[in-house]
Amino acid sequence: SQELEQSPQSLIVQEGKNLTINCTSSKTLYGLYWYKQKYGEGLIFLMMLQKGGEEKSHEKITAKLDEKKQQSSLHITASQPSHAGIYLCGAATKTSYDKVIFGPGTSLSVIP
Amino acid sequence: KAGVTQTPRYLIKTRGQQVTLSCSPISGHRSVSWYQQTPGQGLQFLFEYFSETQRNKGNFPGRFSGRQFSNSRSEMNVSTLELGDSALYLCASSPGSNSNQPQHFGDGTRLSIL
Repeated sequence: SQELEQSPQSLIVQEGKNLTINCTSSKTLYGLYWYKQKYGEGLIFLMMLQKGGEEKSHEKITAKLDEKKQQSSLHITASQPSHAGIYLCGAATKTSYDKVIFGPGTSLSVIP
Repeated sequence: KAGVTQTPRYLIKTRGQQVTLSCSPISGHRSVSWYQQTPGQGLQFLFEYFSETQRNKGNFPGRFSGRQFSNSRSEMNVSTLELGDSALYLCASSPGSNSNQPQHFGDGTRLSIL
């Protein structure tokens, strides 16, 4: 099984709705990253979380890190078609300290 | 500041051939990592280079190799190509070899094996 799991695997929401994507690690986390990817393109860095309880926001996207649960959530408020894409979480874990591994991704579609 | 540049963007090869992909990191970034992305396996770590030395390696066969030059540019080589090597190959750079610094990705090279 993968060290990083994401849920849901895919999501279809109506424009204007809020949504949450979760990323859970089976190992101790040392830094958690969120990226967005348009199909066939590179990953765009969104946010980095390093401390338990840390919360960061960028425009309508907020990410939180729960160190005890080894989990991070990405919340999008009032979704727009421009939010569509694949969201990936990446992390350095206890067994991959020197390199970043990635979750399988969550595919988000926003219907106008 | 220019981003991470990968060339070529698209490549078509046949089984048994070899291929070399190039990555130019963001100016000042010394760490370059390579990833393979496929629909079935997702984003898989290949290797990381820092100051011309391979610092980390993923679980890929020896057909996959890389190197980094003194200007931090990196190349990845795949020999004896197999159909399963068809994938999007992504390069990412960061200032140092510390995983506490976010990586910045290029747009990738899409490799198709016929």
